[in-house]
Amino acid sequence: QAQLVQPGAEVKESGASVKVSCKASGNIFSDNYIHWVRQAPGQGLEWMGWINPKTGGTNFAPKFVGRIFMTRDTSTTTALVDLRRLTSGDTAVYYCAATPGRDGYTHWGQGTLVTVSS
Amino acid sequence: DIQMTQSPSSLSASVGDTVTITCRASRTIGNYLSWYQQRSGKAPKLLISATSILQSGVPSRFRGSGSGADFTLTIANLQPEDFARYYCQQSYSVPLTFGGGTKVEIK
Repeated sequence: QAQLVQPGAEVKESGASVKVSCKASGNIFSDNYIHWVRQAPGQGLEWMGWINPKTGGTNFAPKFVGRIFMTRDTSTTTALVDLRRLTSGDTAVYYCAATPGRDGYTHWGQGTLVTVSS
Repeated sequence: DIQMTQSPSSLSASVGDTVTITCRASRTIGNYLSWYQQRSGKAPKLLISATSILQSGVPSRFRGSGSGADFTLTIANLQPEDFARYYCQQSYSVPLTFGGGTKVEIK
C-alpha cells in the first residue's frame, strides 16, 4: 500500500533547526517528486519546495532559500526537510506530499506539528 | 509569483444544494490547476487535477472547469461529508501557490 508516514510532532526553541522525515512505501519514491507543504494554525497551505528522489535535485520557494534543505535516503525511501533558524512564525503542520509531475498531490503524509517556542 | 484568489472565503449551504467555488490566477496557468478538500485535523485530499480530471474514488458530484486564469469547482447535491475546506493550487510555475481556501459550512 503506497503511503507517506511522518512523525507526529516536534518541539524546538527559537533559533534552532528541525528535521522532519517522510518515509515512503510502495512505488511512491521511484515514481514521484516529494513536495513539502506547511500549514500554520488556522491558516492556509504554503508550498515550501520539492525534491526529486531519483536525482536529489531540489527546488525551493524563494522565502525559504538559505535556510531550507531537502535530502533523501534511497536505502530507506525517506525524504527529509531541514529548516534552520526557526522562529515562532515557523510553528505549523508540515506535510510531505507526492506527485508524479504537475498534476496534483496524489499522496499526503499525515503531517508533523512543529512547535517553535521562544 | 502567481497569486491565486479564491472566493468566497466561506459559504453556508444545505445538504442537497449545489455550490460553486472560484479560483482566479494572477496570470494564465494553462490547465495546471488542482483542487483539494481538507477536513478538520486531516491532510488535504486531491479531488481534481489538471482543471477537470476527477481523481479515482472521488464522487462524480465534484466537477472542475475553467481555463487560462479562471477556474471553478462545483459540488452538486452537497452531502454531509462535503462540509470541509477547499483549496485550489497552481502548478504552472514555481513557487507553486495555493488559494486562500473556502470553508463550506452547514446552513
